[in-house]
Amino acid sequence: AQSVTQLDSHVSVSEGTPVLLRCNYSSSYSPSLFWYVQHPNKGLQLLLKYTSAATLVKGINGFEAEFKKSETSFHLTKPSAHMSDAAEYFCVVSDRTQAGTALIFGKGTTLSVSS
Amino acid sequence: DAMVIQNPRYQVTQFGKPVTLSCSQTLNHNVMYWYQQKSSQAPKLLFHYYDKDFNNEADTPDNFQSRRPNTSFCFLDIRSPGLGDAAMYLCATSRDGEFGVGPGTRLLVL
Repeated sequence: AQSVTQLDSHVSVSEGTPVLLRCNYSSSYSPSLFWYVQHPNKGLQLLLKYTSAATLVKGINGFEAEFKKSETSFHLTKPSAHMSDAAEYFCVVSDRTQAGTALIFGKGTTLSVSS
Repeated sequence: DAMVIQNPRYQVTQFGKPVTLSCSQTLNHNVMYWYQQKSSQAPKLLFHYYDKDFNNEADTPDNFQSRRPNTSFCFLDIRSPGLGDAAMYLCATSRDGEFGVGPGTRLLVL
């Protein structure tokens, strides 16, 4: 079974500074990988996804992630944080189950942005 | 736009009173999933339908049931909600590696 580990439960940055949210996965095949964002009391919003095309994936709101197979990592970055980026971020991997595929969520990273 | 729709977005029920959450999709995805997300935790898969085939996760309580009357709709039934069932319930869909995720229904149990 696939698994995903978000290395930091909480990341704090200042507005205008870079953001790095770390994610490692385990997989016995080439998985699809996703980053979702969840603002307080809101549903999940897809930021970006990797599906075996380009290893550097650009998403919405200036976020991007790089798939590194050798490191089994899919870290999320943004050059300059904005106050509105404060939210919960989930790294997600697709997993092949007995009856298809399912999304396996990491435990999440809370991003705080200070002014 | 093709999407995953969940109604209602907020649901309040009483302890022990059956409640049903609904999900519909216009993506023509053949797989539909229900996830439970408790406060400050990652979403956890409860069960999923692969076409008409129902697949229950081993640790999903019997209190949770699901119905999929057709390709587009899927329901989550909680037969006797307890206080511990208060959570966000997410519906997701997939076909051939493409996924959709609904906005979720937040369930409050009084």
